[in-house]
Amino acid sequence: GAGVSQTPSNKVTEKGKYVELRCDPISGHTALYWYRQSLGQGPEFLIYFQGTGAADDSGLPNDRFFAVRPEGSVSTLKIQRTERGDSAVYLCASSLTRTSGRNNEQFFGPGTRLTVL
Amino acid sequence: AQRVTQPEKLLSVFKGAPVELKCNYSYSGSPELFWYVQYSRQRLQLLLRHISRESIKGFTADLNKGETSFHLKKPFAQEEDSAMYYCALSGSSGNTGKLIFGQGTTLQVKP
Repeated sequence: GAGVSQTPSNKVTEKGKYVELRCDPISGHTALYWYRQSLGQGPEFLIYFQGTGAADDSGLPNDRFFAVRPEGSVSTLKIQRTERGDSAVYLCASSLTRTSGRNNEQFFGPGTRLTVL
Repeated sequence: AQRVTQPEKLLSVFKGAPVELKCNYSYSGSPELFWYVQYSRQRLQLLLRHISRESIKGFTADLNKGETSFHLKKPFAQEEDSAMYYCALSGSSGNTGKLIFGQGTTLQVKP
């Protein structure tokens, strides 16, 4: 079956611009996560959705970052007034549930590589 | 503070040699520990988790709560094991399932 998909695969933008990154989770997965991976680092948690609501946004670095999941499926990560330091690979993951056990395995998308010039 | 530490950025071994990728963590409760792997040009995927106590592709990992470690081991490395490996934890209290990752270790298996 189809896995998690993310679009675009690459995004180049100029400092100060607005960008939107899209994530299509696996059908039926209620939990959705966004992570950011900078060069040479492991993924860092940004935000978690359970259904339509952002249940944990403690990883968002500042108020330029915002994410939505209006119908409990597709999610969009929005970055305003982009800065060069925002350049990274943005990963999306989904899981059937969030609680401990086999159903909490997170399936990752291929990522969106964002470059801010 | 919750943290995962992978002390080696690169581990290079010859085919057939034993492999141990180190992972230490700090967490005040009872975390769930995972190993994720990323092969070249592929997406990040789960390799194994401590609660399953499974051996996947010949790899095993034992959670040592006393030493707060979750090292990944394989007795005989294969060339196809070359990849980036990430250790990660998920907390138990107020659990949202979010993962905290280490910096990753590149495993290079030479022929």
